[in-house]
Amino acid sequence: AIQMTQSPSSLSASVGDRVTITCRASQGIRNDLGWYQQKPGKAPKLLIYAASSLQSGVPSRFSGSGSGTDFTLTISSLQPEDFATYYCLQDYNYPFTFGPGTKVDIK
Amino acid sequence: EVQLVESGGGLVQPGGSLRLSCAASGFTFSSYSMNWVRQAPGKGLEWVSYISSSSSTIYYADSVKGRFTISRDNAKNSLYLQMNSLRDEDTAVYYCARDLGMDSPHLGYWGQGTLVTVSS
Repeated sequence: AIQMTQSPSSLSASVGDRVTITCRASQGIRNDLGWYQQKPGKAPKLLIYAASSLQSGVPSRFSGSGSGTDFTLTISSLQPEDFATYYCLQDYNYPFTFGPGTKVDIK
Repeated sequence: EVQLVESGGGLVQPGGSLRLSCAASGFTFSSYSMNWVRQAPGKGLEWVSYISSSSSTIYYADSVKGRFTISRDNAKNSLYLQMNSLRDEDTAVYYCARDLGMDSPHLGYWGQGTLVTVSS
């Protein structure tokens, strides 16, 4: 199975900050990667698919980039509602595998 | 509006069985592949299983292979997960998730989850 790693595992940031989260796959996965946001007690929400495509209804401050093995999620200006845990997911082949998550909290 | 509602969770003893259901509405269920994803308390997300729209293709995570069975009833707009030989480590919230599009394997829509607790 493809292994996914994320860094950092957590970060503290302020409203208005630019935030970058990285995800790395153990082998090439083309651009078959999604980013998900999860708030406590809630289901995950798809933000970005195919590495860089913004899911409908997701604010444009979220963006994704990368291909092959290295990917990035960027929040251009952190908003109060963005404090959450973010996961990457490779959907290149089964079994799908998630990264371990990055918790973004308030500085 | 796409809606996915899981049910069937609860407390079960190690070695026991449980069947989860996911009721779908707001879309043509028979046209979409479906997945189960779980999350142990305080832990990250783990993909569990996939079933294609016609049930012709099925995949499982190694951690549940041979113990769990995914199925669907397109006439009833329902997805199922039969869980046998349950272990403590199967304790988790179980989510059903729909592919974003008919040829788009991204997990675009999620239910609210149902909690399964395996404990004696």
